[in-house]
Amino acid sequence: NAGVTQTPKFQVLKTGQSMTLQCAQDMNHNSMYWYRQDPGMGLRLIYYSASEGTTDKGEVPNGYNVSRLNKREFSLRLESAAPSQTSVYFCASRETGGTEAFFGQGTRLTVV
Amino acid sequence: SQQGEEDPQALSIQEGENATMNCSYKTSINNLQWYRQNSGRGLVHLILIRSNEREKHSGRLRVTLDTSKKSSSLLITASRAADTASYFCATPGSGGSYIPTFGRGTSLIVHP
Repeated sequence: NAGVTQTPKFQVLKTGQSMTLQCAQDMNHNSMYWYRQDPGMGLRLIYYSASEGTTDKGEVPNGYNVSRLNKREFSLRLESAAPSQTSVYFCASRETGGTEAFFGQGTRLTVV
Repeated sequence: SQQGEEDPQALSIQEGENATMNCSYKTSINNLQWYRQNSGRGLVHLILIRSNEREKHSGRLRVTLDTSKKSSSLLITASRAADTASYFCATPGSGGSYIPTFGRGTSLIVHP
């Protein structure tokens, strides 16, 4: 039982490049979330998906897109990376009716 | 926007001492959670307290909730070096969807 798995763990991009951060959970959870964590800012919600086939914007969605590919997978795409998107990205999931969020190990992204 | 705010931002203590962290939040909630984050890792759920509870214990953790003051505290008794981590409070967020919403966290260092 792996829980929430994020790939890659580390990535360096040049400004303007694109990439997709992958997230998969094996707990059959309906809700999935993408957060970014910056020093002194805590975790800020980028996008979330309450169930397969639905996605909604969070607090800081600009510059990102998401896809809920199926119940297991929720990907985050940066179409044209900017230095301001340098951050640690966390994916999380939660079962319907539950309160606890389960987190992946994070992706540390640097945009130069 | 961030619902909870932790205080202090940083805390440095000696092994064996108690560590107290506080969280204030803005809107009414039906539960509040505390999470722990070790350096370079994802967040891990520690404890949940519901709005009809004033205090809850789990091992060396004690959590209190004062809904009239919109505040919570996390007490770690007899701290160990292994307790060194960042601690976050989380609330369900506002609106109809349950979205774990985190504060900026308290960074705890326990010196051996």
